[in-house]
Amino acid sequence: DGGITQSPKYLFRKEGQNVTLSCEQNLNHDAMYWYRQDPGQGLRLIYYSQIVNDFQKGDIAEGYSVSREKKESFPLTVTSAQKNPTAFYLCASSNQVNQPQHFGDGTRLSIL
Amino acid sequence: GIQVEQSPPDLILQEGANSTLRCNFSDSVNNLQWFHQNPWGQLINLFYIPSGTKQNGRLSATTVATERYSLLYISSSQTTDSGVYFCAVEGDYKLSFGAGTTVTVRA
Repeated sequence: DGGITQSPKYLFRKEGQNVTLSCEQNLNHDAMYWYRQDPGQGLRLIYYSQIVNDFQKGDIAEGYSVSREKKESFPLTVTSAQKNPTAFYLCASSNQVNQPQHFGDGTRLSIL
Repeated sequence: GIQVEQSPPDLILQEGANSTLRCNFSDSVNNLQWFHQNPWGQLINLFYIPSGTKQNGRLSATTVATERYSLLYISSSQTTDSGVYFCAVEGDYKLSFGAGTTVTVRA
């Protein structure tokens, strides 16, 4: 089935450690996005990519990095510079910008 | 960026009741989506509705772009409708989300 796969579902990070969240889509979508959700709040955009080898910062990019080497993959690295990384992370894709976005099931990141 | 306000913040319904959720936004938009987030965190697309009216089963939505608001109607609510409903609008290549309406449907 076509869709967006995020892994792992749960992730634990030690202090000072970088961790990478995986996002893969087989929808042949050009655009991909990463969002962060804190408890009781809406989603906030971290990074987005409109095309392979290109990406742009969203509203809360500090402490995060991304790459877009393949159309189907958009991994997010939470670096040690992100001081409050505990959150629910959601990846999305769309055929193009301004088209409906479809979401993966998310990754919950916690600090040990 | 575009500001998105949703109301009410919380809604408690008896099974079978009807309800209306509202989304106001501060600027013209290219895209508006309604989502349902279930208790496991999954975000389900309900509607892509930058303007006009759409219906899907017991749910329907109307967006009046010129007046910068959208409404989501839930009819004959069921316990499975419980969860958080988000409105999100797109301008400048990104979706801006409201804070959501938490709906609890009691049997």
